[in-house]
Amino acid sequence: GDSVTQMEGPVTLSEEAFLTINCTYTATGYPSLFWYVQYPGEGLQLLLKATKADDKGSNKGFEATYRKETTSFHLEKGSVQVSDSAVYFCALSESNAGNMLTFGGGTRLMVKP
Amino acid sequence: KAGVTQTPRYLIKTRGQQVTLSCSPISGHRSVSWYQQTPGQGLQFLFEYFSETQRNKGNFPGRFSGRQFSNSRSEMNVSTLELGDSALYLCASSSQTNTGELFFGEGSRLTVL
Repeated sequence: GDSVTQMEGPVTLSEEAFLTINCTYTATGYPSLFWYVQYPGEGLQLLLKATKADDKGSNKGFEATYRKETTSFHLEKGSVQVSDSAVYFCALSESNAGNMLTFGGGTRLMVKP
Repeated sequence: KAGVTQTPRYLIKTRGQQVTLSCSPISGHRSVSWYQQTPGQGLQFLFEYFSETQRNKGNFPGRFSGRQFSNSRSEMNVSTLELGDSALYLCASSSQTNTGELFFGEGSRLTVL
């Protein structure tokens, strides 16, 4: 079956540091890939998505590129802020599987001022 | 625009009881998905309803069921509760199926004693 593997957290960074959260996946088909974020006390929110190989999703300074050859979708940001402290989830959805998402375990990011 | 509303937010039940959780999607959204979130298993897909029809079902026992009404509101039911059903149950809505672009509610936290 499909699966998503994320680097274990927590990841602790100082403000303005560079962020990378690794995500790799296993899928039977050709999935769409997502990053969702859960801020403290809030519901999950879609951060960005990519639907085909070499697509780059971007939002709020975050980026991730769909790498089919390495089955990866790593999340990056050039300069993190304290407000980026949250739990980040990588997810995939197979085509024609409706809105059924397979999520990774989540990575907690803590940014210190 | 109101977000996804889940009720109740917190509830405590005992083993063997049943529980019904409710979800009101964003106005105009016809897809409602349910996910279970636990520290051990992470986020797991329960089912999706689209225009009152179950679109997909995750790998959960038949004790977990759901339905969607003509106004797109959805309910999920868990019968014969077990201790392992303690979790945060998340509802998510989307304007379409097959997009993976979900808007999540804050969840209903169920504790089974």
